[in-house]
Amino acid sequence: EADIYQTPRYLVIGTGKKITLECSQTMGHDKMYWYQQDPGMELHLIHYSYGVNSTEKGDLSSESTVSRIRTEHFPLTLESARPSHTSQYLCASSEGTELAKNIQYFGAGTRLSVL
Amino acid sequence: KNQVEQSPQSLIILEGKNCTLQCNYTVSPFSNLRWYKQDTGRGPVSLTIMTFSENTKSNGRYTATLDADTKQSSLHITASQLSDSASYICVVSDRGSTLGRLYFGRGTQLTVWP
Repeated sequence: EADIYQTPRYLVIGTGKKITLECSQTMGHDKMYWYQQDPGMELHLIHYSYGVNSTEKGDLSSESTVSRIRTEHFPLTLESARPSHTSQYLCASSEGTELAKNIQYFGAGTRLSVL
Repeated sequence: KNQVEQSPQSLIILEGKNCTLQCNYTVSPFSNLRWYKQDTGRGPVSLTIMTFSENTKSNGRYTATLDADTKQSSLHITASQLSDSASYICVVSDRGSTLGRLYFGRGTQLTVWP
């Protein structure tokens, strides 16, 4: 069982609200990632981080932002939630220097519904 | 265009039976191929990872094969159990950049009935 935790597990919120999805890992991994996954669809990388104070945008354009102030913590923020943001958000981490060569450990995900 | 295609989209089998899931990819240059298991409402968990030179890898009742020439992989599940019900995702990574990139399939939804 991977030591990576996401909260909340489920979130239902109204349009225009600001939300933060939390992700923490206790494995000391430098690399962390956020993915977005719609039902029956593939995962899409929206943000990643090489380490503290490093953040990069992923392949899928997202209106969310991330921060990496501490190694173990990689929160994702939506300043103004919209129904189009309804999705499952998965956080992951890995050790090593290359995404392509290292196993990613995933959290259980946050299922977000914006009304 | 780099893509990962999985088949079938969904599969129902009886407990104790074997099954094989397929993955075809067009990712190039190839680095490695992984199979993940994703239980409903959970994050994916890694089952196997294979590089170009590996053509078979096992993890308990799960056996993955890779044919890098035809760009095909399969995941064989032996003596299925109810707990095998999940989505199985094929993920291929490239080595075209320092970070590398992961290409995800949409998964095969496996349901095991008692």
